[in-house]
Amino acid sequence: GAVVSQHPSWVICKSGTSVKIECRSLDFQATTMFWYRQFPKQSLMLMATSNEGSKATYEQGVEKDKFLINHASLTLSTLTVTSAHPEDSSFYICSGQNSYEQYFGPGTRLTVT
Amino acid sequence: AQSVTQPDIHITVSEGASLELRCNYSYGATPYLFWYVQSPGQGLQLLLKYFSGDTLVQGIKGFEAEFKRSQSSFNLRKPSVHWSDAAEYFCAVALNTGTASKLTFGTGTRLQVTL
Repeated sequence: GAVVSQHPSWVICKSGTSVKIECRSLDFQATTMFWYRQFPKQSLMLMATSNEGSKATYEQGVEKDKFLINHASLTLSTLTVTSAHPEDSSFYICSGQNSYEQYFGPGTRLTVT
Repeated sequence: AQSVTQPDIHITVSEGASLELRCNYSYGATPYLFWYVQSPGQGLQLLLKYFSGDTLVQGIKGFEAEFKRSQSSFNLRKPSVHWSDAAEYFCAVALNTGTASKLTFGTGTRLQVTL
C-alpha cells in the first residue's frame, strides 16, 4: 500500500527557534499533501493543503507566515514552524493523496520549551 | 459546510463482544466516507471507505460499516472485539474539490477493551 513517512518523529525546540518537519510519500507520487494538527485527545484539524509546485492553501485561522509549507517535489512536502512558542506544541500529521484516498504519516510530536 | 458527528466519546466493551461505533454526517451531496483508527502516538490507518455502490463495506481487521443515506449515518461494526482493537476511531467525510479531497474528521471515539 501507499506509505508516507515523517521526519522527525519527535522534536524538542526552544521558544523562538524554527523547526522543519518533512513528509515523504515513499511509493507513490502525491500531487497533493495535507498537514494536520492534533491536540491531545482531540481530533485532527486541517491546517493546509499543499500542492506540488504551487503555494499552499491555508485553512481559516492558520497563520501562513508562521507555518511555512513547501511542496518542492511530488514526494516531499515540508512544514516549518517559525519562531515557535509553547502553544505550538502539538502532534503534526501529514498525508499524501493518492486518487481519492489520503495516506497518513506516523506524525511528529513537537514540544516547544 | 460538511460536518461529522461521533456521539460517543468513549466506549468500553469486553473482549469478544460486538462493537458498533456511531457516525453521522452532514453533507449536501453524496459523501465519500471513511473510518480511520489511531493508536496512541501514531498516525491514522484506514479501516474502510465508502464511495458508492454496495452500502455495506468490508474493511481490514474484521471491521465493516453500513452507509444509510436516510439516516445520514456510517456506523462501524465488528462482531467480536479483540484487545488489540483498543484505540481511537475517527469517522471522516471527504469534500471533493476536484483535484483534492479535503477530509473533515469527527471528534473521535476512544475504544477501551476489557479482558
